[in-house]
Amino acid sequence: AQSVAQPEDQVNVAEGNPLTVKCTYSVSGNPYLFWYVQYPNRGLQFLLKYITGDNLVKGSYGFEAEFNKSQTSFHLKKPSALVSDSALYFCAVRDHTGRRALTFGSGTRLQVQP
Amino acid sequence: GAVVSQHPSRVICKSGTSVKIECRSLDFQATTMFWYRQFPKQSLMLMATSNEGSKATYEQGVEKDKFLINHASLTLSTLTVTSAHPEDSSFYICSASQGVTEAFFGQGTRLTVV
Repeated sequence: AQSVAQPEDQVNVAEGNPLTVKCTYSVSGNPYLFWYVQYPNRGLQFLLKYITGDNLVKGSYGFEAEFNKSQTSFHLKKPSALVSDSALYFCAVRDHTGRRALTFGSGTRLQVQP
Repeated sequence: GAVVSQHPSRVICKSGTSVKIECRSLDFQATTMFWYRQFPKQSLMLMATSNEGSKATYEQGVEKDKFLINHASLTLSTLTVTSAHPEDSSFYICSASQGVTEAFFGQGTRLTVV
């Protein structure tokens, strides 16, 4: 069975500083990996995905993520955080076979302080 | 990206009544849609996979007679919470896939049963 771990419930960072939100995964075979952001009482907004190819994936709003196969990680990063980045972030995975539903991590709340 | 519209965004109903939530893919056809449930400060849990023209596939522990799913067309799936009780109060989110790697989410529905 596939799974995703987001070890941090909350990440605090000062505006202008770089941020990292951690994610590790477990899946049979090669993974499809995703990051989504959720604002209060809203659905999920797609940020970026890794399917194949370059390990560094660039996404929306200046976010990027690095796929590391040996460490089974897909950490989300941004060079300079904005207060408006404060939200709940979810990492998700699915494998290349079987059903297409995503398995989500528990979520990490990002708080960017002015 | 593609747009998935979910309606209503909020609903309050009395115990024992039924509530229908609609999920529409606005600019693409979705043969498969997914329904998730999200408890406060928790991740998304897959409830069921909705297949156009066939019966939904429910996850273990999800009561199919309580959470009725109908996927009547390639752009519409509905979730009906029957005989709702306060413990059904939650945030429900649908998603639809475009191709094998993309998943787009509706805005979510906050259901409160009083």
